[in-house]
Amino acid sequence: QVKLVQSGPEVKKPGASVKVSCETSGYVFTSYGISWMRQAPGQGLEWLGWVSAYNGNTKYAQRLQDRVSMTTDTSTNTVHMELRSLKSDDTAVYYCARETMTYYMDAWGQGTTVTVSS
Amino acid sequence: DIQMTQSPSSLSASVGDRVTISCRASQDIRSSLAWFQHKPGKAPKLLLFAASRLEDGVPSRFSGGTSGTDYTLTLSSLQPEDFATYFCQQYYSRPWTFGQGTKVEIK
Repeated sequence: QVKLVQSGPEVKKPGASVKVSCETSGYVFTSYGISWMRQAPGQGLEWLGWVSAYNGNTKYAQRLQDRVSMTTDTSTNTVHMELRSLKSDDTAVYYCARETMTYYMDAWGQGTTVTVSS
Repeated sequence: DIQMTQSPSSLSASVGDRVTISCRASQDIRSSLAWFQHKPGKAPKLLLFAASRLEDGVPSRFSGGTSGTDYTLTLSSLQPEDFATYFCQQYYSRPWTFGQGTKVEIK
């Protein structure tokens, strides 16, 4: 079955970078894109961006586009999300999700907690 | 950005109750709406897409409705495994946006 398994929790200092991985299985990797979301404590979900596993094209949320990068590795069917110049309000649970060709997200990872603290 | 206003933020209900959760979009999203169930520490689970289409394997007690820019998720008879947080998401126009969530608790 379709599975998205994310990397483990991270603790980072302000100004550092973090890279979260999303390993996929159970489907043809290059046939779908992956979106990334995050949920800060007590807040709703925020969409961060999308990457095509077919050709690596990306679309990023405007407020983060200077600090975020999303890449794919077709040899391991894994998607990576890197966030740079971390601030305390980047503390959140980060999720990846498979995006269908009609844009709804039909499978999610379990979430990765990223804590930014000095 | 399209705003999604979800209500209520929480509710208490008993097993067997009928429960309705609402989401209002700030503009027409042409039924490009999904509903998810989320339990702590787990991956969110897709329940419905295109406002009213049931994802494979989701029980038929879940249903979705539309009236203009108002969308509803109805659980016809609440089961013990349904106690969770539910949220809506529009996928009509990027950036995708989400409702704030509704926590369904046991009365």
